[in-house]
Amino acid sequence: QKEVEQNSGPLSVPEGAIASLNCTYSDRGSQSFFWYRQYSGKSPELIMSIYSNGDKEDGRFTAQLNKASQYVSLLIRDSQPSDSATYLCAVTRSGSARQLTFGSGTQLTVLP
Amino acid sequence: GAGVSQSPRYKVAKRGQDVALRCDPISGHVSLFWYQQALGQGPEFLTYFQNEAQLDKSGLPSDRFFAERPEGSVSTLKIQRTQQEDSAVYLCASSWVNTEAFFGQGTRLTVV
Repeated sequence: QKEVEQNSGPLSVPEGAIASLNCTYSDRGSQSFFWYRQYSGKSPELIMSIYSNGDKEDGRFTAQLNKASQYVSLLIRDSQPSDSATYLCAVTRSGSARQLTFGSGTQLTVLP
Repeated sequence: GAGVSQSPRYKVAKRGQDVALRCDPISGHVSLFWYQQALGQGPEFLTYFQNEAQLDKSGLPSDRFFAERPEGSVSTLKIQRTQQEDSAVYLCASSWVNTEAFFGQGTRLTVV
């Protein structure tokens, strides 16, 4: 079992729809959770961080965390073609507040 | 500069050649990380510095990989006797202590 699992996709949604990206992790001691966006050929760009159970909203993005289920999600409302990218879920290792373990990413395509 | 700067952006090395990859973190960031990203995968942790101290090198894949940060700012990742399996994008990230990490543009290494 991989430490951080994501559906690789591709996930396609029409413009204006809600895109839902999911991530599960195996390390129960993980404390910090992040979503990075990576355009093709570019470096990962931090878009959301979440540290406690529940929802966190920032503009069109909402991150959801359920530590009991070891589950993190990212919702993108009113999806735009510019949101087309690979979304990487990352968690910190237990005992470390620093190193990130990444999933393989979910490729999202928003169709105009 | 305003962001994490990496050089070179692209490097082609002949198998067996030594390479050195440079990372200039965001000014004042004490934490510095190196990650390796293979095509279609998420970044994999290599090593972590806090200031000049290398606190974790558990991700370095072999003793051909060596990293240093002698003055607590610029870091160099050195790969000796490069092999084809070393071909990847090498990402550097920096952060304040226990905060979100920001990535550089990466160095794409191709070993031929």
